[in-house]
Amino acid sequence: DAKTTQPPSMDCAEGRAANLPCNHSTISGNEYVYWYRQIHSQGPQYIIHGLKNNETNEMASLIITEDRKSSTLILPHATLRDTAVYYCIVRLFYNQGGKLIFGQGTELSVKP
Amino acid sequence: NAGVTQTPKFRVLKTGQSMTLLCAQDMNHEYMYWYRQDPGMGLRLIHYSVGEGTTAKGEVPDGYNVSRLKKQNFLLGLESAAPSQTSVYFCASTSGTGGGNQPQHFGDGTRLSIL
Repeated sequence: DAKTTQPPSMDCAEGRAANLPCNHSTISGNEYVYWYRQIHSQGPQYIIHGLKNNETNEMASLIITEDRKSSTLILPHATLRDTAVYYCIVRLFYNQGGKLIFGQGTELSVKP
Repeated sequence: NAGVTQTPKFRVLKTGQSMTLLCAQDMNHEYMYWYRQDPGMGLRLIHYSVGEGTTAKGEVPDGYNVSRLKKQNFLLGLESAAPSQTSVYFCASTSGTGGGNQPQHFGDGTRLSIL
């Protein structure tokens, strides 16, 4: 399974965009990039995913570089409720039912 | 929408006791998973199921058993609980179609302490 590297922590001012980077230099062609977040000890919450193209939904945008070796999750207008641990995951569907391999993630603190 | 529901939410057991954690999903998903999360660590896969009547081992299956008798339910059993099984347990499900293009949806977790 491809490994991901994320900064352990980041700060962001409320109302500003939060840009969370992720490195996945060993990703293979059929692996998707997924982003989840976990607030306190709640269940992980799905945010967004993509394969090659940039993606946007009501929560965030995902920018994947052309060589697919890195990506950035963008929360356009961060709020205090976005304070959480954000996980970047590379998922191979045919490996153990498409399990998600969670690393340490990035602890995002949104400050007033 | 209930999504993925886990019961119980909290439980304290004594070493050697047995118990079953229940996961129920109402999204007609084929795939279901049990993960555990220990302090300061990411989630690790215990067992998973790709359909009714099928189960398979994940990364850390020892000490656990599972059953998927009905499509909507996935049970995780501890036959003889050990302190090392103190953890937060999360269940997840996904439709299984689209070759990895469908997200997993998680329950709120079961916090289990073994004394």
